[in-house]
Amino acid sequence: GDSVTQMEGPVTLSEEAFLTINCTYTATGYPSLFWYVQYPGEGLQLLLKATKADDKGSNKGFEATYRKETTSFHLEKGSVQVSDSAVYFCALGLTGGGNKLTFGTGTQLKVEL
Amino acid sequence: NAGVTQTPKFQVLKTGQSMTLQCAQDMNHEYMSWYRQDPGMGLRLIHYSVGAGITDQGEVPNGYNVSRSTTEDFPLRLLSAAPSQTSVYFCASRTGLAKMNEQFFGPGTRLTVL
Repeated sequence: GDSVTQMEGPVTLSEEAFLTINCTYTATGYPSLFWYVQYPGEGLQLLLKATKADDKGSNKGFEATYRKETTSFHLEKGSVQVSDSAVYFCALGLTGGGNKLTFGTGTQLKVEL
Repeated sequence: NAGVTQTPKFQVLKTGQSMTLQCAQDMNHEYMSWYRQDPGMGLRLIHYSVGAGITDQGEVPNGYNVSRSTTEDFPLRLLSAAPSQTSVYFCASRTGLAKMNEQFFGPGTRLTVL
């Protein structure tokens, strides 16, 4: 079945450090890929997305490239801030089966001064 | 636009009690869904609806009922609550069925079943 695997957290970084959160997927079709972010006490918000191979999604300094050959969609940011502390979810979307999103387990990021 | 709203924010139930989690959206989205979020498991789809009068099961539907009488509302009913239903519940909506369309999430309902 379709699945998403994310690196386990928590990830703790100092402010201005480089961030990578790994995400790989297994899908039977051609999924769209997403990163959602959940700030404490809130619902999930779309951070970025990519709809086909080699697309790069970007937003708020975060980037992720859809790599079909490695079935990956790693999230990166060059310089994290304390305000980036949140839980990050990688997800894939496919047509059919309710068009649901399949989520990874989430990676908690803590950024310290 | 209020987006996706959920009530209540917190709820404590005793085993066997029933309740309804409310969800509403004001974006005229056709597609609505309910997820539960449990530690270490990400979000899992409970039920979804592709339009008023149409609902279907997700991957963890047991113990939950839904109905969709209007485009705006998509309530989730627990008929007889069990401790295994302790979780955070998120409602989401999106326009159309395209796989690349963004889902908008509500703020969640934290449910504890004793």
